[in-house]
Amino acid sequence: KAGVTQTPRYLIKTRGQQVTLSCSPISGHRSVSWYQQTPGQGLQFLFEYFSETQRNKGNFPGRFSGRQFSNSRSEMNVSTLELGDSALYLCASSLSAAPNTEAFFGQGTRLTVV
Amino acid sequence: EDQVTQSPEALRLQEGESSSLNCSYTVSGLRGLFWYRQDPGKGPEFLFTLYSAGEEKEKERLKATLTKKESFLHITAPKPEDSATYLCAVNSGNTPLVFGKGTRLSVIA
Repeated sequence: KAGVTQTPRYLIKTRGQQVTLSCSPISGHRSVSWYQQTPGQGLQFLFEYFSETQRNKGNFPGRFSGRQFSNSRSEMNVSTLELGDSALYLCASSLSAAPNTEAFFGQGTRLTVV
Repeated sequence: EDQVTQSPEALRLQEGESSSLNCSYTVSGLRGLFWYRQDPGKGPEFLFTLYSAGEEKEKERLKATLTKKESFLHITAPKPEDSATYLCAVNSGNTPLVFGKGTRLSVIA
């Protein structure tokens, strides 16, 4: 059974550019969440999608956005990149949106902003 | 607001030296407490879910326990391959997972 797939694995962008990250959840999983991980802050929640609807959003500026498609695949976009956006971006998929459901993570996309 | 505090931040053990990692939480109505293992440069790997106080789960050298205020991850006779960062997260109601900052475990041969 294939796990959560995130592409690309590594990305280097320049300040001011925008970037789109992709996440394919485990087959049959309908909930996708995104997290930003940095050494100082740990894992911080970005947003959660279920059946193409955003259910929750973390405390990040509007430059961070996301969406989910009908096949449950999800993308997140960061516009006007800043140096502080350099981080490991992690996607997690769950079978449902129930709060006691296990979340399974992908390998992440390492974004470096220069 | 849900909060998770993990201690210690880092732990260095000799191979075979058993120990425990702590996860203290403050949450309004715990629906699940989750343990993950994360290797450098990789995504977190799911280990356990605990739902109610008194519950225990085991997997190889790892055993997770839960009380009303904290969870412990006990590591029995660890091996170098157990070296990783161990993350604890809680979920309450319809809020997203709230993670602690993790315990970085090093097991020396």
